[in-house]
Amino acid sequence: KQEVTQIPAALSVPEGENLVLNCSFTDSAIYNLQWFRQDPGKGLTSLLLIQSSQREQTSGRLNASLDKSSGRSTLYIAASQPGDSATYLCAVYSGGGADGLTFGKGTHLIIQP
Amino acid sequence: NAGVMQNPRHLVRRRGQEARLRCSPMKGHSHVYWYRQLPEEGLKFMVYLQKENIIDESGMPKERFSAEFPKEGPSILRIQQVVRGDSAAYFCASSPAPRSLLFFGSGTQLSVL
Repeated sequence: KQEVTQIPAALSVPEGENLVLNCSFTDSAIYNLQWFRQDPGKGLTSLLLIQSSQREQTSGRLNASLDKSSGRSTLYIAASQPGDSATYLCAVYSGGGADGLTFGKGTHLIIQP
Repeated sequence: NAGVMQNPRHLVRRRGQEARLRCSPMKGHSHVYWYRQLPEEGLKFMVYLQKENIIDESGMPKERFSAEFPKEGPSILRIQQVVRGDSAAYFCASSPAPRSLLFFGSGTQLSVL
């Protein structure tokens, strides 16, 4: 059974810093990995999707890497801003035809102005 | 192009009543997923539907819960005889293809008194 863990559970940093969020998964046979952000009381916004054959994806100040063999992904946020404050969720589609994403519990990020 | 629309945003039911949650996917998306988020827990996959078909309901409780996605109209998640443990945020997501980028609605917060 696939399990996804995100570390740290919470993080507070001053504005302008670069930061890294970590995600690990127990079964390396994944189809793809996705990063989302969730704002309080709202739904999820998709940030990046990395296919199992890819090593990284970039979108603006965000860069996500994938090391499938070690079961790890990182989300790098450059030059953080207060608007980046949210909960960041990592999720994987497992191989073998699994139809639902397995989510981690998220990292609650606060960027201090 | 409107995003994924869920209604109602908030739903209050007494124990034993029925709850109906509605989801209209993004235009052009025929793949619909329902997830549940319990307090202090991550999102859990419930069911995956395509038009008029349930593809995977492995995450849905066997009793009291049902889902449909008719040819015309929104997808419906139905919970019969609700209990306090059903209180949670229920999110719908849609995608243009299986296991591709997911677009989430804002969720329905169900409270059972």
